[in-house]
Amino acid sequence: GAGVSQSPSNKVTEKGKDVELRCDPISGHTALYWYRQSLGQGLEFLIYFQGNSAPDKSGLPSDRFSAERTGGSVSTLTIQRTQQEDSAVYLCASSKGGGWTYEQYFGPGTRLTVT
Amino acid sequence: GENVEQHPSTLSVQEGDSAVIKCTYSDSASNYFPWYKQELGKGPQLIIDIRSNVGEKKDQRIAVTLNKTAKHFSLHITETQPEDSAVYFCAASISRGGSQGNLIFGKGTKLSVKP
Repeated sequence: GAGVSQSPSNKVTEKGKDVELRCDPISGHTALYWYRQSLGQGLEFLIYFQGNSAPDKSGLPSDRFSAERTGGSVSTLTIQRTQQEDSAVYLCASSKGGGWTYEQYFGPGTRLTVT
Repeated sequence: GENVEQHPSTLSVQEGDSAVIKCTYSDSASNYFPWYKQELGKGPQLIIDIRSNVGEKKDQRIAVTLNKTAKHFSLHITETQPEDSAVYFCAASISRGGSQGNLIFGKGTKLSVKP
């Protein structure tokens, strides 16, 4: 079946502009995660949605970052007033449920470049 | 919070040799340890995982060992093949009561298998 999809695959934006990144999880998956992968670094947890529970925003690096998940499916990660240090690959993952029991399936990522 | 260290950062082996990647974690409450393989331009893909009630797990040419006392776990790939070339990430996750399973990743190991 279809995996996790993300759009756009690449985004180049000017410093100070806002960007929106989209994630379509696997159908039926209740948990959705956003991660950031900077060059040569591991994946950094950003935010987690599980069902109708309040999202865990503990990984968001600043208040310029926000995310929402509409209807328990599609999620959008928004970065306001982008900075050059925001340049990274943003990865989305989904799983059947929350907690370590469930495998996380990753999308291909959105490569964001802030000039 | 949890911290995961991964070594080496790069590893080059001859086809047919074994490869070993090691990770240490800081939080003794971590109870789930997945390994992900990331090929160029793709999102990470789970290749094997181990839970804290198990010391070793094998899947064909891949094995993972866990030493809870020393707080380290390792990935072993035997009879390496060129298609094993990728970046490998270890991760650790804590699940306490209703908390979520966000993963804390190591910084990755770039494995190159020379034919």
